[in-house]
Amino acid sequence: QSALTQPASVSGSPGQSITISCTGSSSDVGGYNFVSWYQQHPGKVPKLMIYDVSRRPSGISDRFSGSKSGNTASLTISGLQAEDEADYYCSSYTSSRTYVFGTGTEVTVL
Amino acid sequence: EVQLVESGGGLVPPGGSLRLSCVASGITFTTYWMHWVRQAPGKGLVWVARINIEGSSISYADSVKGRFTISRDNDKNTLYLQMNSLRAEDTAVYYCAGVAATWFDPWGQGTLVTVSS
Repeated sequence: QSALTQPASVSGSPGQSITISCTGSSSDVGGYNFVSWYQQHPGKVPKLMIYDVSRRPSGISDRFSGSKSGNTASLTISGLQAEDEADYYCSSYTSSRTYVFGTGTEVTVL
Repeated sequence: EVQLVESGGGLVPPGGSLRLSCVASGITFTTYWMHWVRQAPGKGLVWVARINIEGSSISYADSVKGRFTISRDNDKNTLYLQMNSLRAEDTAVYYCAGVAATWFDPWGQGTLVTVSS
């Protein structure tokens, strides 16, 4: 039940695109298309941004997109905005029929 | 309005016990597998436990296995987490979250558990 690996921080200027990686194993990320991404502003509740690798919930901007290759999933934020500054976490279903979260990535808008 | 409302957090000494509750409204509780997720101060999200709709299938993170017990009362739309033998490293905000398919949504607002003497 080791946490999925994410970069500790990613930064970009307004309008740029950034990508956050989420690396697991064949027992989680690589084995299932059940990766989701959550945005968390300081002191706030996590918010679902992407589910099932690349699907966006209703109301989530199309600037957010997800993908997966092998054991690594990715979240891309295009047209970076100040309001995107937050922590982001990936999560995956696992072969143990449980879930695991990523280590979290702090996104900074320069 | 969809709401998950946790309660029961507080300050407890090491070795003590606490019972968290999570009351659901605005959702059909019996279509959700329910989970507890925690977040230590300044740290990331960590999955803790989950229970299926009927309460017949339960799993725990290794760090809480044998000390925590998850349960639910579908008649009361309520999820529980009984926490025994608490340790300092259990200090965290505890969130309840529902999973209808494969993602966590909705989430509760969280309840803070502090284990300290």
